[in-house]
Parts: sequence; structure tokens; C-alpha cells
Amino acid sequence: GESVGLHLPTLSVQEGDNSIINCAYSNSASDYFIWYKQESGKGPQFIIDIRSNMDKRQGQRVTVLLNKTVKHLSLQIAATQPGDSAVYFCAENSGDYKLSFGAGTTVTVRA
Amino acid sequence: NAGVTQTPKFQVLKTGQSMTLQCAQDMNHNSMYWYRQDPGMGLRLIYYSASEGTTDKGEVPNGYNVSRLNKREFSLRLESAAPSQTSVYFCASSWGDSPLHFGNGTRLTVT
Repeated sequence: GESVGLHLPTLSVQEGDNSIINCAYSNSASDYFIWYKQESGKGPQFIIDIRSNMDKRQGQRVTVLLNKTVKHLSLQIAATQPGDSAVYFCAENSGDYKLSFGAGTTVTVRA
Repeated sequence: NAGVTQTPKFQVLKTGQSMTLQCAQDMNHNSMYWYRQDPGMGLRLIYYSASEGTTDKGEVPNGYNVSRLNKREFSLRLESAAPSQTSVYFCASSWGDSPLHFGNGTRLTVT
């Protein structure tokens, strides 16, 4: 079965607001997590990653939070822009060079 | 710098036909991967190659074969296409356990 999943398949956000995308994972042995963004007609694009020895990591307008106690991962996007409209995937490193992906959350930014 | 290049971008096959999807990367990455993406299911690993000369099965290898031609190229072959193989196929590459870099996909329809 799928070891990584997202809580909601869709998210509608007002332009300028902050977005929070959630992801749950089931493999407690996973030690590396990645968020990808996929725009229509393109391949997934790396956004940010985090290793299990960290709780939080920040990038440009994005923050990833990792809660190992409840096996939960979230991606926060600050001041959401129209260009942020895409499908967002979390991925989990299950070892041996393999990544397991969730089903994705479609983010739509309202003007 | 092209990154990961996949050809063709689109393909329509009839049931039973064969074809090879091509992938090349110019980032000197050791590892290469083939994923398929179906609606609502995220990306699923078909095959991967941790290094030149090695290939291993992923989550959904049945009906596919791969060849790691050299460090740059990793091809995916469908010997006898079936409608269940209608999907979007993504090739990716990485260095060790660094984030995967994806191509823009091949959209395959099997009728």
C-alpha cells in the first residue's frame, strides 16, 4: 500500500494568503523527505527537503515542518502567488534509492 | 544545460505494439529512474538504476524492461503494450540520495 499520503486532494487559496499543505507518512524508518511542485504538462520540480534529524527547514517563501511523533509533514507557502498554482507532492525516502510519493494536492490560487 | 530529456513527448500505440522510451541526462548523475503517473495515484517507481551497469525493479515493473546504456542514458521498453500501460512516464536522475531531477514526461496512450 501507499506509505505516503496527503490529507486533502485540493486546496483553494486567496492570493496573498499563506498556504499549508499536509502529508502523512507511515514508515517510521524513513529519514529523508522531499516536497515537489508539478505544473501542468511538466515534470515534478524540487522545492525543499528535510532530513529526520530536523524539525523545520526554510527556503524562499516555503517552510517544511516535520513531526516525527505523529509522522506528519507539512509545506507552508507564504504570500501565495498565482504562479504557485500546481500539484504538490510529498515524497519519502524508503531506502535503496527509492522514493515513495503521495497522491498529490492540487493548489488553486484565487485572484 | 538541458537536465533530463525524454523522447518522445507523446505516443499512441495499439495493443501489442512495442516501443522504447528514451531518457538522457547531462548532470553526470549516477542514478536514474523511471516512474509512471496515473490520475490520483501519484508517481510509482517502475525501474531504477543506482549506477551504470545495474538495474533493479521498483514497485510496478511488470510489462516493462530497461537498459542503462551508459551513464547518461536509461531507456524503458514496452514489449507488448496494453491499455493498462496508458500513463505519463517520467524519467529522473540523481546523485546519491540527493533530490531527483525529472524530465517533462512522455504521454503514452495504448488503444
